[in-house]
Amino acid sequence: AQKVTQAQTEISVVEKEDVTLDCVYETRDTTYYLFWYKQPPSGELVFLIRRNSFDEQNEISGRYSWNFQKSTSSFNFTITASQVVDSAVYFCALSVPSGNTPLVFGKGTRLSVIA
Amino acid sequence: DTGVSQDPRHKITKRGQNVTFRCDPISEHNRLYWYRQTLGQGPEFLTYFQNEAQLEKSRLLSDRFSAERPKGSFSTLEIQRTEQGDSAMYLCASSPGRGHTEAFFGQGTRLTVV
Repeated sequence: AQKVTQAQTEISVVEKEDVTLDCVYETRDTTYYLFWYKQPPSGELVFLIRRNSFDEQNEISGRYSWNFQKSTSSFNFTITASQVVDSAVYFCALSVPSGNTPLVFGKGTRLSVIA
Repeated sequence: DTGVSQDPRHKITKRGQNVTFRCDPISEHNRLYWYRQTLGQGPEFLTYFQNEAQLEKSRLLSDRFSAERPKGSFSTLEIQRTEQGDSAMYLCASSPGRGHTEAFFGQGTRLTVV
C-alpha cells in the first residue's frame, strides 16, 4: 500500500523568509509519481508539479524548488522569499501507475505567511 | 477550456435525504475521480472512471454512495439517506491518458448534513 506523510501540520513564516515543506512517502513499487498540490482558501486544489521515480533531478520554477531523494523517500518543497499569496495548504501525493491506485494524499501542511 | 466544473458548490440537506452532485471534467480527459475531504485532512479517494467504466471503488464508498459516468463525459455522485458523517467537501478531478498522471481538480461541493 502507498502512504504519504507530511509531518508538519502548520508552519508560520514572515514574508520573504524561505520555507521548506517536508514529504515522506512509502511504496514498494519501483515506478511511481510524486506530486505537490496547493489548496488556497478558495478550496480548489492547484497542481504544482509531478516527478517520476526515475528522475531524481531537482527542479526549480521561479521561487519554488523541489528536492527528490529516493534514498530517504522524500520529496520536499521549498518556497524562497515567501509571499502572503503563498499562504495555503500544501499537499504531497503519490500514485502508482502499475495498478488501479489513484493519487494518495498526505494530510497537508498549512502555511501562513505573515506580512 | 473552463477546467473541471462541479455543481452545486454548496449543499445543505437534512439527515436522511438523498443528494446528487455533478462533475463536468476537462474535455477529452479519460479519467474522472471522486475524492472526499474533511476538515484538516487530505483528500481521500472514493472512486474513479476510465471513460464510462467505473474501475475502482474505495472501502469508504458505502452502499449509500453511487457514482455514474454514463457517456464517459460528466459524472454524478449520489448519496442516499445522508448521515451527519457525510458532511465534507466532495472533490472531482480529471486527468488525460491512461495512467494516474496529474489530476486537475474542480472547486468541490461542500455538503452539510443537519
